[in-house]
Amino acid sequence: KNQVEQSPQSLIILEGKNCTLQCNYTVSPFSNLRWYKQDTGRGPVSLTIMTFSENTKSNGRYTATLDADTKQSSLHITASQLSDSASYICVVSVTGGGNKLTFGTGTQLKVEL
Amino acid sequence: DVKVTQSSRYLVKRTGEKVFLECVQDMDHENMFWYRQDPGLGLRLIYFSYDVKMKEKGDIPEGYSVSREKKERFSLILESASTNQTSMYLCASSLSFDRVYNEQFFGPGTRLTVL
Repeated sequence: KNQVEQSPQSLIILEGKNCTLQCNYTVSPFSNLRWYKQDTGRGPVSLTIMTFSENTKSNGRYTATLDADTKQSSLHITASQLSDSASYICVVSVTGGGNKLTFGTGTQLKVEL
Repeated sequence: DVKVTQSSRYLVKRTGEKVFLECVQDMDHENMFWYRQDPGLGLRLIYFSYDVKMKEKGDIPEGYSVSREKKERFSLILESASTNQTSMYLCASSLSFDRVYNEQFFGPGTRLTVL
């Protein structure tokens, strides 16, 4: 069964600190992996998308890594800001699966002063 | 920028009512999707459409139907709303020929409460 698991479930950090969110997946055959940011009460917004051949991708203070061998990805947030408080969702798609995505349940990040 | 809009941000309906959720995208995307999002369960696909008048069941289609009469508009219909359909509903769209990334763009969501 295709699954995406994220850890931790929730996280609280102080403003200015760095953090790393984890994503493990069992989806096969793998096509691409994406990280979304979802503010409370809003729709998800794409941060990064990586295919099999891409093992790192950055978007400002967000850097995603992918290890397709171990089926793991991480999202690193540098110099966190209050506006980073949100849910971060890892999403994996399969080759030949058309538009079918498998969603993780997200990591709820709270950045405090 | 791709814009996906949903007709309501918040909606309160009574059990048994027929409910229409509307979604419109302005980037000429072929594919459109309806998801529901519940705490601890992540997003689950209800229905999707890859062309006008075409539809495919997702993982949890029971109790829902959809309509796509125009390319830019995709409607989700709850024929007889029930309390277990209280949820956040998210619409998304994507290009059909984006074979590499197949990125989906999401609307702001509709928080539906069924009393």
